[in-house]
Amino acid sequence: ELKVEQNPLFLSMQEGKNYTIYCNYSTTSDRLYWYRQDPGKSLESLFVLLSNGAVKQEGRLMASLDTKARLSTLHITAAVHDLSATYFCAGYSNSGYALNFGKGTSLLVTP
Amino acid sequence: DVKVTQSSRYLVKRTGEKVFLECVQDMDHENMFWYRQDPGLGLRLIYFSYDVKMKEKGDIPEGYSVSREKKERFSLILESASTNQTSMYLCASRNPGLAGMNEQFFGPGTRLTVL
Repeated sequence: ELKVEQNPLFLSMQEGKNYTIYCNYSTTSDRLYWYRQDPGKSLESLFVLLSNGAVKQEGRLMASLDTKARLSTLHITAAVHDLSATYFCAGYSNSGYALNFGKGTSLLVTP
Repeated sequence: DVKVTQSSRYLVKRTGEKVFLECVQDMDHENMFWYRQDPGLGLRLIYFSYDVKMKEKGDIPEGYSVSREKKERFSLILESASTNQTSMYLCASRNPGLAGMNEQFFGPGTRLTVL
């Protein structure tokens, strides 16, 4: 079964700063997913990383995947308050049906 | 755009009641999923369905059942609700395939409180 570990679990950062969220996973997986969740809301898909070396960018967020290291990163550039949310990474278990999620990184961007 | 809808955003039920949570997707997706989300435990898969009338247990199926009579609709049933089933319930759907993105699209969630 794929196990997904994110760190940090809580992150408070100032506006304008950069930071990286790390997602390690336990077994071979060729694709990795990032989701965003606002308080009380559902999960919104941010990025789908389909292969080793994949890099996707959307605004101030950039995600990458290193399948050899079993590591994905979500990099935040020049953070703004609107990015405050919980971010999850997820990957499929061997069955290919169940998405296994990390516990999420709760991000708070302060002035 | 894929749209996944859930019948209720908030639901309050009493212990022992039978509870139905409904999920509908409009993109002809083959697979549908029910998760629950709890603080500190993250998202856990309850049941999924890979096709009409087909279902498989996820990680925490105890106390739940599901029904999928039509492709677009997947129901989660709590046969006799208990307080430990108070949670946020999230439905998702996707189209599978090795070449595809296999991305799961989530509904808005139902926050269920069992008193």
